[in-house]
Amino acid sequence: QQQVKQSPQSLIVQKGGISIINCAYENTAFDYFPWYQQFPGKGPALLIAIRPDVSEKKEGRFTISFNKSAKQFSLHIMDSQPGDSATYFCAASTGRLSGSARQLTFGSGTQLTVLP
Amino acid sequence: DSGVTQTPKHLITATGQRVTLRCSPRSGDLSVYWYQQSLDQGLQFLIQYYNGEERAKGNILERFSAQQFPDLHSELNLSSLELGDSALYFCASSVGLAANTGELFFGEGSRLTVL
Repeated sequence: QQQVKQSPQSLIVQKGGISIINCAYENTAFDYFPWYQQFPGKGPALLIAIRPDVSEKKEGRFTISFNKSAKQFSLHIMDSQPGDSATYFCAASTGRLSGSARQLTFGSGTQLTVLP
Repeated sequence: DSGVTQTPKHLITATGQRVTLRCSPRSGDLSVYWYQQSLDQGLQFLIQYYNGEERAKGNILERFSAQQFPDLHSELNLSSLELGDSALYFCASSVGLAANTGELFFGEGSRLTVL
């Protein structure tokens, strides 16, 4: 119930192309869906996040699409650049369980390589 | 720079040994989380502390323990180490109830190698 399934495991895209990473969840109590970006040797950092009351959120070249009925969400990176090469993690959380700060359940990660 | 500090950055030790990983959260953050990242397991949640109290446990082994001190820094203790404990251990922090955006701020991790 707490699992978040992410695909693909790795993705190679040409510069200027669109990168698409998909995630699916089961727990309907999840109410916050962030994407984290991790560069080699660094910790994950928040990239963009969405709440289930909207179907899409766009920040620059990064867009989250959210399908509540299908319990799926995806990250689209438009005009992908070599500097976008990193590992991307989707995540989901609910703050209802502990009453304190949120706990994140992460997907397994997607290693994105953008070729120049 | 996330503002979360982890030490040491790298640690090499032998099986059966014990190590302590330290984390200083961002100024003002009350929650500290520990995650383990290995190649085949992704980011696995270990444990969460909020203002000194344990709040949630994930897939943390009995050989592992953690605590959060009054100054809010946290330590993760790993004992009777096995080869399979080799991984990156991340600490993350977040604000508490007052401004709950849901964002976690991660440190750069402590890479543990057990030989």
